[in-house]
Amino acid sequence: SQQGEEDPQALSIQEGENATMNCSYKTSINNLQWYRQNSGRGLVHLILIRSNEREKHSGRLRVTLDTSKKSSSLLITASRAADTASYFCARGNNRLAFGKGNQVVVIP
Amino acid sequence: DTGVSQNPRHKITKRGQNVTFRCDPISEHNRLYWYRQTLGQGPEFLTYFQNEAQLEKSRLLSDRFSAERPKGSFSTLEIQRTEQGDSAMYLCASSPGAGHYNEQFFGPGTRLTVL
Repeated sequence: SQQGEEDPQALSIQEGENATMNCSYKTSINNLQWYRQNSGRGLVHLILIRSNEREKHSGRLRVTLDTSKKSSSLLITASRAADTASYFCARGNNRLAFGKGNQVVVIP
Repeated sequence: DTGVSQNPRHKITKRGQNVTFRCDPISEHNRLYWYRQTLGQGPEFLTYFQNEAQLEKSRLLSDRFSAERPKGSFSTLEIQRTEQGDSAMYLCASSPGAGHYNEQFFGPGTRLTVL
């Protein structure tokens, strides 16, 4: 199956709530990246977590990595309508392998 | 705007025609990537360049597809004898190339529709 694979979800949440999405992979990684895609700004890099890191923060984003379970999660806190997008995890250094993505809709 | 640019943004063509897309990366980036994305899926890697050298190609890049980066700056992706299955968004990305962990900066994409 495809490497860097999210649990395909469609989340619909109220503004201000938190959103969590997960990603699993099958082989060892050097790092894992998360990207966001919406119609307005295209595909945008959010955060990169290295294999020797367990947690990383960037603003309202928190990414965790559990290499023993080969899984990662992305948490968006205090969501905003502008967070409405598809979120992808991707593994690889140059040849990125993306999952199918999580669709998140934040209702104002 | 100093981001990655792609032209055209939209292309409609008839089956069997050839099409060419252009990507202009961020100027100081020496790595350039092409991906293809279909509806409801994540991007799929096609190929990447380090300067003018094409270092890796996906099996998705059939003989009908060719990519070039002649001067190590802009790149072109050509599809010959297009098929309806080629309809997709074609994304270009670039990265600085320094070190092993490279954030990739994506362009807006070229949406291809093959009739």
